[in-house]
Amino acid sequence: NAGVMQNPRHLVRRRGQEARLRCSPMKGHSHVYWYRQLPEEGLKFMVYLQKENIIDESGMPKERFSAEFPKEGPSILRIQQVVRGDSAAYFCASSPQGVGEQYFGPGTRLTVT
Amino acid sequence: AQSVTQLDSQVPVFEEAPVELRCNYSSSVSVYLFWYVQYPNQGLQLLLKYLSGSTLVKGINGFEAEFNKSQTSFHLRKPSVHISDTAEYFCAVSRTSSNTGKLIFGQGTTLQVKP
Repeated sequence: NAGVMQNPRHLVRRRGQEARLRCSPMKGHSHVYWYRQLPEEGLKFMVYLQKENIIDESGMPKERFSAEFPKEGPSILRIQQVVRGDSAAYFCASSPQGVGEQYFGPGTRLTVT
Repeated sequence: AQSVTQLDSQVPVFEEAPVELRCNYSSSVSVYLFWYVQYPNQGLQLLLKYLSGSTLVKGINGFEAEFNKSQTSFHLRKPSVHISDTAEYFCAVSRTSSNTGKLIFGQGTTLQVKP
């Protein structure tokens, strides 16, 4: 059973460009979470999605960030007009239920130049 | 709101010595508790979890943790560490009754195992 897949593993964007991060959950998991790990700030929750629905986006910045989890295909975290402060590791996690343990992907390391 | 405090940012220890990584949480509601390990440039791997039942939980790689409700603690222990245990360790909580299972993480503890 493949684990949580994330791509790309590394992404370099210039200021003002768009970044798209993809996450495929473990087989049978319909709950997806996105977290951000900033240097010196630890891991912070961003958004929780089920298929086609955003359940909790209380950790998402109000502007430029959006997430989706369509009926078919991976979950996508989209960052528009990136700024240097967006440089971080972005982790996706999935779970079979809405509570309990979550299984993490390897992360996407975004660098904004 | 929940919060997690990992009392030590770094813990140096010699190989084959015992280690304890401390975690305290604050919550007005019941929580699930987790420990994750992160090796350099990798994702997080679940070490162990407390959902209910016995307060002493055993995880992978010889780690165990004890849930102490009165002290709101969930300290991680290993009786004899290896060089390969060098990594960052995160304690996390989530609410048991919620429409979101989001994890609240501590700041992490870097375990440095020396030969």
